[in-house]
Amino acid sequence: DAGVIQSPRHEVTEMGQEVTLRCKPISGHDYLFWYRQTMMRGLELLIYFNNNVPIDDSGMPEDRFSAKMPNASFSTLKIQPSEPRDSAVYFCASSSYRDKYNSPLHFGNGTRLTVT
Amino acid sequence: QKEVEQNSGPLSVPEGAIASLNCTYSDRGSQSFFWYRQYSGKSPELIMSIYSNGDKEDGRFTAQLNKASQYVSLLIRDSQPSDSATYLCAVKRDFGNEKLTFGTGTRLTIIP
Repeated sequence: DAGVIQSPRHEVTEMGQEVTLRCKPISGHDYLFWYRQTMMRGLELLIYFNNNVPIDDSGMPEDRFSAKMPNASFSTLKIQPSEPRDSAVYFCASSSYRDKYNSPLHFGNGTRLTVT
Repeated sequence: QKEVEQNSGPLSVPEGAIASLNCTYSDRGSQSFFWYRQYSGKSPELIMSIYSNGDKEDGRFTAQLNKASQYVSLLIRDSQPSDSATYLCAVKRDFGNEKLTFGTGTRLTIIP
């Protein structure tokens, strides 16, 4: 299995521009998560989906952030307009709810976003 | 109060010694507890999970859980330089709710 695939690996953009991050989860996984990691705040959950349906988006910082999952193999996280404080590493992760005791997260390699 | 708290470190441990990493959580309803390891510039990877009070051992790693004290720890025996990384504690509230809340991590350095 190729694992969780994220693109791009690095993104540098100017303040005010639209940014789109992409994620392909592991085939067969029914949960998909978007996390943001910064030195100050650590790993923060932004949103997660179950079977393509958003379940909890309480971590999405503001209306500038939106996430979609049009099918089981693809998700996007969009920031519009971007601001310097959005600079962080954005991780996508997926998991399979095999049983109530064992559903580890599998993380992608992350997208390092820099907004100047 | 943060939901999951860890000492940020850095924690320096001589090679071959025991490294002890600690984590406290605020939600008394939490049911599942995880330790992830993250090397610099890499993504987190799961080391261990624990659900019941007591100890759980896996090779050189032992996770300890005390729900009454809302405390989770990770012991690494016979520490190796390859164990140098940031260790993230994560907590899930209940089964069926897949939201995983992470601490900010403890940076561990094993000194050869």
